[in-house]
Amino acid sequence: GAVVSQHPSRVICKSGTSVKIECRSLDFQATTMFWYRQFPKQSLMLMATSNEGSKATYEQGVEKDKFLINHASLTLSTLTVTSAHPEDSSFYICSARVAGTGYTFGSGTRLTVV
Amino acid sequence: DAKTTQPTSMDCAEGRAANLPCNHSTISGNEYVYWYRQIHSQGPQYIIHGLKNNETNEMASLIITEDRKSSTLILPHATLRDTAVYYCIVRVDSGGSNYKLTFGKGTLLTVNP
Repeated sequence: GAVVSQHPSRVICKSGTSVKIECRSLDFQATTMFWYRQFPKQSLMLMATSNEGSKATYEQGVEKDKFLINHASLTLSTLTVTSAHPEDSSFYICSARVAGTGYTFGSGTRLTVV
Repeated sequence: DAKTTQPTSMDCAEGRAANLPCNHSTISGNEYVYWYRQIHSQGPQYIIHGLKNNETNEMASLIITEDRKSSTLILPHATLRDTAVYYCIVRVDSGGSNYKLTFGKGTLLTVNP
């Protein structure tokens, strides 16, 4: 089946630095990918919709200058958390729509900002 | 998308069937019912979806009431590895690629030995 590969699975960074998370569709082309954030014991919250070759669409309350999204090809979308702070520590998950089964998700990235 | 209501948590004995309910009383005629699950610290996993007919695959069965206002996900023989949060989501299956999924709080299913 369709697979979305997400890297890294875990990352620890210092406060003030930037972190890039990659999301790749391995055996299909994804013109649109979605980025979610999940805090402990909470549900997934959609952050933004990433569109290949165009600007991402951010959900209300999500800072587009802080969470930079790039979708330069049909198989790769990246999320960069800029100037990370401890409150950005969270579980970040990407997904892409797949015909027939709805959506497939990456395995997630656990970000810890210290 | 229509809002869904699920119990916060449920328990099930290993080897028994797990029946997870979902209410979606405001569902529209063109909205599908999707089920996903999330095992701790992993990305969500697709289970099954349907419009109005009951559906079955290798993972589960989906029973949708005739008025489509509620549905039940059935795991026929639950195992310890089925312990997860189960999300019921209703949305239009427009065929377009950019229609987002909105997650509720889901049901934490705990399968006990």
